[in-house]
Amino acid sequence: EVQLKESGPGLVQPSQTLSLTCTVSGFSLTDYSVHWVRQPPGKGLEWMGVMWSGGSTAYNSALKSRLSISRDTSKSQVFLKMNSLQTEDTAIYYCTRVVYWGQGVMVTVSS
Amino acid sequence: DVVMTQTPPSLSVAIGQSVSISCKSSQSLVYSDGKTYLHWLLQSPGRSPKRLIYQVSNLGSGVPDRFSGTGSQKDFTLKISRVEAEDLGVYYCAQTTHFPPTFGGGTKLELK
Repeated sequence: EVQLKESGPGLVQPSQTLSLTCTVSGFSLTDYSVHWVRQPPGKGLEWMGVMWSGGSTAYNSALKSRLSISRDTSKSQVFLKMNSLQTEDTAIYYCTRVVYWGQGVMVTVSS
Repeated sequence: DVVMTQTPPSLSVAIGQSVSISCKSSQSLVYSDGKTYLHWLLQSPGRSPKRLIYQVSNLGSGVPDRFSGTGSQKDFTLKISRVEAEDLGVYYCAQTTHFPPTFGGGTKLELK
């Protein structure tokens, strides 16, 4: 069964760095790409970036300067790091294989 | 970036009614391979999005056939025949033809 599960801190202080982990099962990261998508409270979906199956990455240009995606294939994990967080980065963060989505993790940026 | 415009932003329906949701893109969504990468997602209340339809008209696994997708180029429609309670939530169209992937603003389907 394909599963994706996000984990990370629920609260981050302004200007700090967000670190999230997406742990997958039921497939190999070398066979499928994994995307990160976020959703501010009560709002729509924003694509953030992708870890392609071959190991390269691509980012939303609006976030590119602050965002980094990496992976550890041996642990079936994809990592998201985003620095200089502001209150507008408060959102539910999802990792997704497009067909399959994680449950999401709510991240609040607040002092 | 490709702008995806969904209408209406919300719909109030009775169980058993049929409804349609429109999605228009700012550019043609036909890829160089001839396929059109326009998809429909449903986000039920408090849940993660779920893919319903891929490449305009293909139903995802387990998706009831009361859902159907049509359209081409820049103009697409999701139709739900005989709405059931489990269909309530927010519907999004999404394109993956052009980089970056983009989503419509969503259409909230509510009970009348």
